[in-house]
Amino acid sequence: DVKVTQSSRYLVKRTGEKVFLECVQDMDHENMFWYRQDPGLGLRLIYFSYDVKMKEKGDIPEGYSVSREKKERFSLILESASTNQTSMYLCASSSKRGPTDTQYFGPGTRLTVL
Amino acid sequence: AQSVTQPDIHITVSEGASLELRCNYSYGATPYLFWYVQSPGQGLQLLLKYFSGDTLVQGIKGFEAEFKRSQSSFNLRKPSVHWSDAAEYFCAVGAWGGADGLTFGKGTHLIIQP
Repeated sequence: DVKVTQSSRYLVKRTGEKVFLECVQDMDHENMFWYRQDPGLGLRLIYFSYDVKMKEKGDIPEGYSVSREKKERFSLILESASTNQTSMYLCASSSKRGPTDTQYFGPGTRLTVL
Repeated sequence: AQSVTQPDIHITVSEGASLELRCNYSYGATPYLFWYVQSPGQGLQLLLKYFSGDTLVQGIKGFEAEFKRSQSSFNLRKPSVHWSDAAEYFCAVGAWGGADGLTFGKGTHLIIQP
């Protein structure tokens, strides 16, 4: 079974803090994704990466950055957290490029910014 | 750009009754269509996907979906729901040429009445 793990299930941070969300997959997948999930808005793509050190912006990259130094690990960084970044963050991975491959999701990190 | 509409925010169904969740997509070429389910506190799990061929697709947990190009629809069905089917359901579309991430609908929250 593919396993995608996220470093925290719940996180509480203060406005202005730098926040790191970590994601690790154990299936040697090429692609990794960060989504944000908000009630009534569904999931929206923040960033994705198709290889080590490669990244592409998704639909809502503003206020976020990412890092992929190793193939199995993809980090989402909030340089200066704001209250409007309070949300559920979901990481996913898929084995190859393109829209046809199944994405496997982690359990999510619920981030609250006070 | 592609888009997905799930017209029903909430649906309530009695246990043992049939279920249909609606999904409409917008995309100029052949879409790649997915249904995911999110149980409370969990990440997303793939139920089924459609790329080409037979327009009736079978998935896990007894679900099926039918692709209708003329109606731009990909509705999810189950003949008899169980209490464990209570969850959030997301329809998604993928397409070549853009970000590899999926475009999700806003989700339908399924409530099962005893």
